[in-house]
Amino acid sequence: KNQVEQSPQSLIILEGKNCTLQCNYTVSPFSNLRWYKQDTGRGPVSLTIMTFSENTKSNGRYTATLDADTKQSSLHITASQLSDSASYICVVTPGGSYIPTFGRGTSLIVHP
Amino acid sequence: DAGVIQSPRHEVTEMGQEVTLRCKPISGHDYLFWYRQTMMRGLELLIYFNNNVPIDDSGMPEDRFSAKMPNASFSTLKIQPSEPRDSAVYFCASTRSSGGSNEQFFGPGTRLTVL
Repeated sequence: KNQVEQSPQSLIILEGKNCTLQCNYTVSPFSNLRWYKQDTGRGPVSLTIMTFSENTKSNGRYTATLDADTKQSSLHITASQLSDSASYICVVTPGGSYIPTFGRGTSLIVHP
Repeated sequence: DAGVIQSPRHEVTEMGQEVTLRCKPISGHDYLFWYRQTMMRGLELLIYFNNNVPIDDSGMPEDRFSAKMPNASFSTLKIQPSEPRDSAVYFCASTRSSGGSNEQFFGPGTRLTVL
């Protein structure tokens, strides 16, 4: 069964600090992995997409890594801002499909 | 493009009433998805359409749920009769199969409360 597990479930950090969110998946065959950011009261928005051959991808202060061998991904947020407070969802799509498997998300709160 | 449009944004109804949620996908997108999001279960795929045709409705929880897509620019999700356990945020998302990217673009969601 395709599964995506995220940790931690929730995280509280101070503004300006860095943090790393984790994602483990069992989706097979693998096509791509996305990290979505979901602000309160809004729909998820894609931050990054990674395919099998990519190890690292950055989007501003967000850097995603992928280890396809261990089926793990991480999202690193540098110099956090209050606007980073949101839920971050790891989404994995199997090859030959448009139907992704969603993780439960990590709720991040950035305090001033 | 205005993105995926959903209406209403909030719906409060009483148990037993019919509820209809509406979605307008992004123009040119040929896939449309309906999701339900709760704290306990996260995002769950209910049903998806390709070129207005329902492809997989295995995620629809019960016969009380039904979805239609009469044309490329409009879809509805109906719950009849509604129950308190249907309370959740319902998202519509769309994507385009051409171009290589399968990024799903989500609407703002409809927060449904069934009393």
